[in-house]
Amino acid sequence: EADIYQTPRYLVIGTGKKITLECSQTMGHDKMYWYQQDPGMELHLIHYSYGVNSTEKGDLSSESTVSRIRTEHFPLTLESARPSHTSQYLCASSASLGQFFGPGTRLTVL
Amino acid sequence: LAKTTQPISMDSYEGQEVNITCSHNNIATNDYITWYQQFPSQGPRFIIQGYKTKVTNEVASLFIPADRKSSTLSLPRVSLSDTAVYYCLVGDISNYGGSQGNLIFGKGTKLSVKP
Repeated sequence: EADIYQTPRYLVIGTGKKITLECSQTMGHDKMYWYQQDPGMELHLIHYSYGVNSTEKGDLSSESTVSRIRTEHFPLTLESARPSHTSQYLCASSASLGQFFGPGTRLTVL
Repeated sequence: LAKTTQPISMDSYEGQEVNITCSHNNIATNDYITWYQQFPSQGPRFIIQGYKTKVTNEVASLFIPADRKSSTLSLPRVSLSDTAVYYCLVGDISNYGGSQGNLIFGKGTKLSVKP
C-alpha cells in the first residue's frame, strides 16, 4: 500500500548526540519535505527536495541537514542535538493533489 | 506568495454544518486552494482542493467565489471526531516548496465540536 513512513516515532536523547530521522515513501513522489512543529504551533518548512540529489533549505532556519540519494528516502540528520531541537518533525511528499504527511517523529533532547 | 487569513478558532455542536472561511486576497492565477486537517500529534491530512466554483468529496465541500479572493470549507453534520485544526493553503501545485511560498502553513483554525 502506498504510504509515507517515519521512524522513530518517539526519540529521547542527550545533548550532543548525533541523530538521524528516517522518512520513506512508497508513492514514487519526486517532491519531499521536512517540517518542524512545536505543540499547538504552526508548521515550519525546514527542508525540501524536488528529486534525487536535490535539497533546499526551507523558510525556517534549521541546524539539521538532509540528503536525497534515493527517490523514496529523505533522512534528516542533526550532528549535535541540543534541547532547542526538541520538537515534532513531520515528513511529507507531494503529487499534484497536495501533500501527504507521515506520522511524525517527536524528538526530545535532554 | 498568497498569504491566507483564517479565524483562529471556532466552536460547534455535533450534527451542525460548519463553514470555515479563508481569505487570500493576493491569490495568483496558477494558485490552487487546498485544505488540510490536523489532529494533535499527527501530520496534516489532505481534505479537499479546488481552483474555482465548487468542489465536493465524501468529506467536505469547498466553495470558491468568482474572484477567488476567499474560499469556504464546509463540513456537513460534524461529529466530535472532527475536532481538529484546519489549514487553508494557497499555492501553485506544480511548484511546491521553500521561499517561493507555495505551501506555507499558517496558524489554521482550531475547530472544537461539542456534544
